[in-house]
Amino acid sequence: EIILTQSPDTLSLSPGERATLSCRASQSVNSYLAWYQQKPGQAPRLLIYDASNRAPGIPARFSGSGSGTDFTLVISSLEPEDFAVYYCQQRSNWPRKTFGQGTKLEIK
Amino acid sequence: EVQLVETGGGLIQPGGSLRLSCAASGFSVSSNYMSWVRQAPGRGLEWVSLIFSGPTTSYADSVRGRFTISRDSSTNTLFLQMNSLRAEDTAVYYCAREWQLGRYYYMDVWGKGTAVTVSS
Repeated sequence: EIILTQSPDTLSLSPGERATLSCRASQSVNSYLAWYQQKPGQAPRLLIYDASNRAPGIPARFSGSGSGTDFTLVISSLEPEDFAVYYCQQRSNWPRKTFGQGTKLEIK
Repeated sequence: EVQLVETGGGLIQPGGSLRLSCAASGFSVSSNYMSWVRQAPGRGLEWVSLIFSGPTTSYADSVRGRFTISRDSSTNTLFLQMNSLRAEDTAVYYCAREWQLGRYYYMDVWGKGTAVTVSS
């Protein structure tokens, strides 16, 4: 099973700052990686697919990059509604898929 | 509007059974791949099962042989039959649509989830 490790576990930033979240895979997942945002009491929301493509309706301040084992989600300028938990997910063994443990983005 | 609504969760004793439902609107569950994903309290996300647009299904090792995914085209509803439930099955269960984005499928629409608690 491919293990995804996200870092940091918690990221404390202020609105307007730039957020950089990382996801590392235990073996190559090519570009088969997605990012999701989850707010308390809500379902996850797809942000990025295929490592770098924004899902429909996702603001341009969200961007993804990487391939192989190292991936990054960047939020260029944090809005108040961006504070949430972010998960990466790999689908290289689809339909089986695994998620990272999550990064909590909190207001500083 | 594309929407998914899960129901059927609750408190169940270990060894018991429960059937979750996921009512879809705005698209057909029979024409799409559909998944169940769960989230244990305070934990991350775990994929549980997927059903293809045909009868083929796939399961996580942790639930294979105990859970069964199915659907009903007449009611446009996805189901998850859960048998031999264990304490570690306690979680919020989400259904999600698998949608082709680019060349591959990702979970683009999710329901709000239904909570299952397995406890005596």
